[in-house]
Amino acid sequence: QQQVKQSPQSLIVQKGGISIINCAYENTAFDYFPWYQQFPGKGPALLIAIRPDVSEKKEGRFTISFNKSAKQFSLHIMDSQPGDSATYFCAASPPSNTGNQFYFGTGTSLTVIP
Amino acid sequence: KAGVTQTPRYLIKTRGQQVTLSCSPISGHRSVSWYQQTPGQGLQFLFEYFSETQRNKGNFPGRFSGRQFSNSRSEMNVSTLELGDSALYLCASSLSAYNEQFFGPGTRLTVL
Repeated sequence: QQQVKQSPQSLIVQKGGISIINCAYENTAFDYFPWYQQFPGKGPALLIAIRPDVSEKKEGRFTISFNKSAKQFSLHIMDSQPGDSATYFCAASPPSNTGNQFYFGTGTSLTVIP
Repeated sequence: KAGVTQTPRYLIKTRGQQVTLSCSPISGHRSVSWYQQTPGQGLQFLFEYFSETQRNKGNFPGRFSGRQFSNSRSEMNVSTLELGDSALYLCASSLSAYNEQFFGPGTRLTVL
């Protein structure tokens, strides 16, 4: 059972456009939602993360929007660049007193066309 | 500061064999987690170790096991390999729970 569902599976965007990746979760106990970026041959790297006490977090061109009632969160990449071409994973984690146990989405392959 | 290192980077085994993968976390990090990454399933959590104790375990069969040493280095073992075990195995370290996880480059395991 996939605890975190991610869409789309792949995305092609023109340079300068907005890339949007969506995730949905079931477990209301989740309270930490990171996004990871992975380039070929590399491990995932943390891009940006949010906790459910805020509805939006922005870091540079990357924004997470969080909708607690709908149990959904999304990543927006503004002014997308060819260097953003990578696979993006959303994830969710229960409270820290249970240790580290992250549930990942299945990934979105983003291609930004020059 | 050195990142997370994993050895070996590539491994080819045959069905029925066993394999041991190694992970050295970032210095000072006490939590080490292991993930299996496949094209269809994405990243799936295997287990987490903290101070030599398994703190969390994912939904994988008992053929998958791990351990952590006093220096926080961790090993993962898969016994009686199956074709479906072919995957990229990723290790991630963090200071403790809820801190940012830093991933290694992974070990690519191919089971023939």
